[in-house]
Amino acid sequence: AQSVTQPDIHITVSEGASLELRCNYSYGATPYLFWYVQSPGQGLQLLLKYFSGDTLVQGIKGFEAEFKRSQSSFNLRKPSVHWSDAAEYFCAGIKAAGNKLTFGGGTRVLVKP
Amino acid sequence: GAVVSQHPSRVICKSGTSVKIECRSLDFQATTMFWYRQFPKKSLMLMATSNEGSKATYEQGVEKDKFLINHASLTLSTLTVTSAHPEDSSFYICSARGPGGMNSPLHFGNGTRLTVT
Repeated sequence: AQSVTQPDIHITVSEGASLELRCNYSYGATPYLFWYVQSPGQGLQLLLKYFSGDTLVQGIKGFEAEFKRSQSSFNLRKPSVHWSDAAEYFCAGIKAAGNKLTFGGGTRVLVKP
Repeated sequence: GAVVSQHPSRVICKSGTSVKIECRSLDFQATTMFWYRQFPKKSLMLMATSNEGSKATYEQGVEKDKFLINHASLTLSTLTVTSAHPEDSSFYICSARGPGGMNSPLHFGNGTRLTVT
């Protein structure tokens, strides 16, 4: 069955430090992959997406993600976090010909001053 | 860019009443929209796929008669929670695929927080 897994439920990082959020997927073929951010009480905002091509994807707010087929991973990174990056982050995947977006469990990011 | 508007953002209702949530694609036509529910401290769960002009496709375990979905036009899908109970209190989010078909990402509304008292 298709699945997306985020191993870390929550991560605490100091402001200015780097951040990496893990995402692993399990699909028969390479899926389309997404990272979304959800601020408290808000809806979801798309950070970036990967369909094909360059495996390093740049997104909004200074985020990037790297698709690694050999590791079935699509980890999200940011070199230097800001207090406003405190939120919950969701990795999601969808089969290339499908409509059902499968979400990981989310990773809550806390930013220390 | 493609925008999905969801209304209302918050609603409080009494147990036994029905609540309607609207999801609109503002600048594009969406033949397919999706409704999700977020349980506390958990990820989003797909409830149903809403297809314009036809019946919605519900995920396993979602009560069709409880969560009525109507996709009457290419820009509007509604979710009606009928005879709401406190356990229906949750965060509901809709999404629509942007113009460009499968090569465009899903665009999400800002969600509706439903509280049933």
